[in-house]
Amino acid sequence: GENVEQHPSTLSVQEGDSAVIKCTYSDSASNYFPWYKQELGKGPQLIIDIRSNVGEKKDQRIAVTLNKTAKHFSLHITETQPEDSAVYFCAAYSGTYKYIFGTGTRLKVLA
Amino acid sequence: KAGVTQTPRYLIKTRGQQVTLSCSPISGHRSVSWYQQTPGQGLQFLFEYFSETQRNKGNFPGRFSGRQFSNSRSEMNVSTLELGDSALYLCASRESGELFFGEGSRLTVL
Repeated sequence: GENVEQHPSTLSVQEGDSAVIKCTYSDSASNYFPWYKQELGKGPQLIIDIRSNVGEKKDQRIAVTLNKTAKHFSLHITETQPEDSAVYFCAAYSGTYKYIFGTGTRLKVLA
Repeated sequence: KAGVTQTPRYLIKTRGQQVTLSCSPISGHRSVSWYQQTPGQGLQFLFEYFSETQRNKGNFPGRFSGRQFSNSRSEMNVSTLELGDSALYLCASRESGELFFGEGSRLTVL
């Protein structure tokens, strides 16, 4: 069935270093790949997304890459800051009104 | 615009009881979806509604149901609660592909 695998489940980095989170999806019909950030006690919030006709997208310190052939997409955060500490979820959407989410990555940025 | 509002934020129930959760989407958004969030499982899709019609449903037992009203507000109901139903239930309204989540309703089943 439809599935999104996300790794790692936890990630600790020093402030200023880069962080990379990777996801793999199973449904080849997926055409939209958003990333959500969830802070403690809050709902997930969209931070960046990419559509299947694009290989890379960047927004200031965050970027997402997509490899449709391998069904991989990744989130890159550069120059990490303490406020980047949160849980990050990747998701895949194939036009059936439901998003398939990964299991989340808890990112800790150490000052 | 006000965000997605979910009520109640916290609730405690016992096994066998039922619960109803409410969600008010962002004004003008007609699509509302529900997700169950548990540690280690991420967000699991429950159902999605648009203009009072359920357009898709996830792999949950029939004890989980939902509905949407003409003003786009939505409710979900869980009957005959089980311990494993303890979770954060998130509602999201959708526009142009983006999901806007509420802060969730945290259900604890004892």
